[in-house]
Amino acid sequence: AQSVTQLDSQVPVFEEAPVELRCNYSSSVSVYLFWYVQYPNQGLQLLLKYLSGSTLVKGINGFEAEFNKSQTSFHLRKPSVHISDTAEYFCAVDTTGGYQKVTFGTGTKLQVIP
Amino acid sequence: DAGVTQSPTHLIKTRGQQVTLRCSPKSGHDTVSWYQQALGQGPQFIFQYYEEEERQRGNFPDRFSGHQFPNYSSELNVNALLLGDSALYLCASSNDVRAGDGNEQFFGPGTRLTVL
Repeated sequence: AQSVTQLDSQVPVFEEAPVELRCNYSSSVSVYLFWYVQYPNQGLQLLLKYLSGSTLVKGINGFEAEFNKSQTSFHLRKPSVHISDTAEYFCAVDTTGGYQKVTFGTGTKLQVIP
Repeated sequence: DAGVTQSPTHLIKTRGQQVTLRCSPKSGHDTVSWYQQALGQGPQFIFQYYEEEERQRGNFPDRFSGHQFPNYSSELNVNALLLGDSALYLCASSNDVRAGDGNEQFFGPGTRLTVL
């Protein structure tokens, strides 16, 4: 079985400051990793995903994440946040091979302060 | 392309009742997954449908059942509703991912179910 831990339930940050949202996972097999964003009263939108290859993954809206296999982490970063980035962010994992069965973390609420 | 659509948007039921939620997948997608997102939690996998059959299931009781139609749309049924079933129910569609290629899931806006 796989699991995802997002240690920070809320992260306040000033506009134009950098931000890092932390994600650690646990799995006995190889995994795919994802970050999703959820705006109020909306579904989830994929920000980026790691399948294989380069450990630095770039996504939409200026976000990027780095896969660290030894630390089983997949932290999300953005060098300069905007008010519009205020949302909830979910890290998710799926095992490679077999059928798709995604496990989500509990989410991190990013609050951008003007 | 309308993307993934879900109906209704909101629903209020009382304990013991039954509810049916509906989902239309994104054009070209043949796989539908359902998730339950309780307040303050991440989505939890309920089950996945492909070729009109339940292909895999999460840790949910038999009160949760579903169906997929030939046009790939899907329904989620919940019987004998409990207060704890109050949540946002999300539908996600994708292409068949038996190859395990990390195919992207596209999510609908969800149905907010409140059980009183």
